[in-house]
Amino acid sequence: NAGVTQTPKFQVLKTGQSMTLQCAQDMNHNSMYWYRQDPGMGLRLIYYSASEGTTDKGEVPNGYNVSRLNKREFSLRLESAAPSQTSVYFCASNGAGVGYTFGSGTRLTVV
Amino acid sequence: AQSVTQLGSHVSVSEGALVLLRCNYSSSVPPYLFWYVQYPNQGLQLLLKYTSAATLVKGINGFEAEFKKSETSFHLTKPSAHMSDAAEYFCAVTRAGSYQLTFGKGTKLSVIP
Repeated sequence: NAGVTQTPKFQVLKTGQSMTLQCAQDMNHNSMYWYRQDPGMGLRLIYYSASEGTTDKGEVPNGYNVSRLNKREFSLRLESAAPSQTSVYFCASNGAGVGYTFGSGTRLTVV
Repeated sequence: AQSVTQLGSHVSVSEGALVLLRCNYSSSVPPYLFWYVQYPNQGLQLLLKYTSAATLVKGINGFEAEFKKSETSFHLTKPSAHMSDAAEYFCAVTRAGSYQLTFGKGTKLSVIP
C-alpha cells in the first residue's frame, strides 16, 4: 500500500547513545517532515525538507540532525540521546494540495 | 506566525449525541486548515481540510467543519457520536506556499455507551 513507512517502530536507548530513524514514502511527494509528539503538547516540527537536497529547522531542532537521502527517504539522527528526547516520532510527506500523510510512528525511550 | 488553539483537552459525549470539537486559529494571511484523527498507537489520519474553497467542509466518517473567518474558528462536528469515534483529534494550520504545518495540542474524545 502507498504511504509513509517508518523504522523502527520501537527503540530503547541509553543516554548518550546515537541512532537514526528511517522514513520512506512512495507517493512521489516533494516535501517531508519529522515531528515529535509529547503528551499535552500536540505535534511539534523538528525538521523538514521542502524538496530533495534541502533541509530546514522547525520548532524544536536542537539535538537532532536530518538527511534527505533522495526524494523517497528522509532520516532523523540523534547523535547523543537524552531523556528529554523520549517521545513518539512521526514522519510525514506532503504533495501539493493533498494534505500531509503520516507514518505510524517510532516510540523512542531514552533511559 | 500561525497558531492553533483547541479548547478542551478532553471531551466526553454520549453515544448518539452531537460531537463538537473546537478549534480557533491565528493567522495574518488566509489559512489552510486541517483536522486529523489519531487512534491509539497509530499515526494521524486526515479527516478533512479547508483550502479556501467552500467554507463548509465534509470529511470522512460523517465529520464536517465550518470555516468562520469572522470568528477565526474551524470547529469539527458530527451529528451522532459512535463508539468508534473515540480517539484524539488535532486541528492544524498552514498557509499557501508554507512548508510548516502547525498543530494544536489535541482533544481526546471519549464516547460513553
